[in-house]
Amino acid sequence: QKEVEQDPGPLSVPEGAIVSLNCTYSNSAFQYFMWYRQYSRKGPELLMYTYSSGNKEDGRFTAQVDKSSKYISLFIRDSQPSDSATYLCAISGGGADGLTFGKGTHLIIQP
Amino acid sequence: DTEVTQTPKHLVMGMTNKKSLKCEQHMGHRAMYWYKQKAKKPPELMFVYSYEKLSINESVPSRFSPECPNSSLLNLHLHALQPEDSALYLCASSQVLQGDEQYFGPGTRLTVT
Repeated sequence: QKEVEQDPGPLSVPEGAIVSLNCTYSNSAFQYFMWYRQYSRKGPELLMYTYSSGNKEDGRFTAQVDKSSKYISLFIRDSQPSDSATYLCAISGGGADGLTFGKGTHLIIQP
Repeated sequence: DTEVTQTPKHLVMGMTNKKSLKCEQHMGHRAMYWYKQKAKKPPELMFVYSYEKLSINESVPSRFSPECPNSSLLNLHLHALQPEDSALYLCASSQVLQGDEQYFGPGTRLTVT
């Protein structure tokens, strides 16, 4: 079983829809959770960072963490064509290591 | 400012060449990272530096040689690469090593011919 599971998609939704992106993880030692957006041939851009269960909101984006279920989500409200990108969840155990990434979900917002 | 810069943006090199990738950040971060990303795959960790000392080397072949001259700079020296080393090479930094959010640069797209 991989440490972080993420559906690679593609996920195609109409403009204005609410998008839900999800990851599950297996290691209960993971404590820090991030979501990155990556456009084609660009570096990942940090969207959200959280280290506790619950919700964190930033503009149209909401990150949700459920440590008991080992499940994290990113919601995008009022989706725009410019949101079309690959979304990567990334998790850290807090030790001297890098990030463990999900495979990334390719999101397409149809105008 | 959360900017990490990388040069060059693109690099084409032959298998016998020696080249270097450069990364710079001015956020006062004390941890810096090199990742390798192949097409349609997530980034894979290569090296981690903490306070200018190599902390992690993820069993990377010796044809990749990292260097951290100071707290703002990170280099990756390349020698005798193989065509399968063609990828996007990403640099990242974080305030500290443990659990902090990492900020990525735009990457260097490397093609080995």
